[in-house]
Parts: sequence; C-alpha cells; structure tokens
Amino acid sequence: AQRVTQPEKLLSVFKGAPVELKCNYSYSGSPELFWYVQYSRQRLQLLLRHISRESIKGFTADLNKGETSFHLKKPFAQEEDSAMYYCALADSSYKLIFGSGTRLLVRP
Amino acid sequence: GAGVSQTPSNKVTEKGKYVELRCDPISGHTALYWYRQSLGQGPEFLIYFQGTGAADDSGLPNDRFFAVRPEGSVSTLKIQRTERGDSAVYLCASSFPGTSFAEQFFGPGTRLTVL
Repeated sequence: AQRVTQPEKLLSVFKGAPVELKCNYSYSGSPELFWYVQYSRQRLQLLLRHISRESIKGFTADLNKGETSFHLKKPFAQEEDSAMYYCALADSSYKLIFGSGTRLLVRP
Repeated sequence: GAGVSQTPSNKVTEKGKYVELRCDPISGHTALYWYRQSLGQGPEFLIYFQGTGAADDSGLPNDRFFAVRPEGSVSTLKIQRTERGDSAVYLCASSFPGTSFAEQFFGPGTRLTVL
C-alpha cells in the first residue's frame, strides 16, 4: 500500500544549525513527492515538489529511489522556519497521501 | 486574489446531529478536494470533484458522509448522525488541473468537535 512515513514528531535545532526532516515512502511506480508546510495560524501550503528540483527558502529535497526517501534539508535553520512540515505523495493525478508531519522548532 | 475559504471555522455539535461544512474554492479552479485531519496526523483524502461530479469518493469513511458540488464551484460536505470519532479538522483544497499534478491550494479548515 502507498504510505508516507515521517519518523520524527518533533525536531528541535538552534538557529544556524543544519536541518534534515526525514521522509520515507512506499509506492509501486514512479512517485511524485512534495513537501507542504504549515506556519503557525496559517493554512497548509506547498513548499516544494521533487520534479521542480528547486530550492525554496533555502530548503532542498532530493528523491532517492533506492532508499525510497525524500528528506528535506536546509544548511542553516532560521527562527522563521519553525512550522509543521508534511511530506506527501501523489497517488494519482490528484490524490495526495500525507505523512503524519514533523514539527520543526528553531531556537534562538 | 482570494484563496480557498471554508465556513464555519469552528463547529461544535452533539453526537447524533447533522452538520454541513462549506468550501468556496479559488475562482476558476475546476478541481476540488476534501481532506480530514485528525489530531497528530496528516490530512487524509476524502473525496475529489472535477467540475460538478465526484470523480473519486473512495476516501469517505462510511455512508454517513456525503459531499456535493451542484454548480461546479461551492462544495458542501455533509455528515449525518455525527459520532465523537468524526471530530477533526476538515480541509478543502482546489486546483486548476494541467498536464501534470497541479498544486492544490488549501483552505483554513473547519474544526469539527462532536461532544
């Protein structure tokens, strides 16, 4: 079955430290993967998608099909990065399957 | 422009009651989705509309849940005989499908509490 796993419920780092939010998936086919972010009192929004291969707000994510992973990374965390992060898999042209989310807390 | 809106933002009801949750998608977006997010979990797919028709309702948990989109714009999620386990945040999203997976724009959600 298609599944997205985010093993960490909470990740706490100090400002300026590197960040890696883990995401593993199971999918029979060519996956399309995304990271969504929800800042405090804001709605869920798309951060980045693997096919774009772009860096958004300093975050990057590389799809590793061998390890079935799509970890989100940032070399130097900022306080404004504190938020809930959700990894998601497109199960079709429209259906998203989300992980349970990781709360990132960046301390000053 | 205006994003996806949902009303009410909060709904408290008693077990056994009927509730309706409304979603106004972004103007021009033909695709509309409902998700449910329970505490400590990510959103779970419920139903997908393309225009007026429900193209995929496989995520609806049981026949107490029903959704409509009669004119291809506003959608209403209806829950009959509510149960305490229905308590969650119900999210709506819309998109304008293209040739590949189109970005889904989410609303703020409706927090449903069943007492």
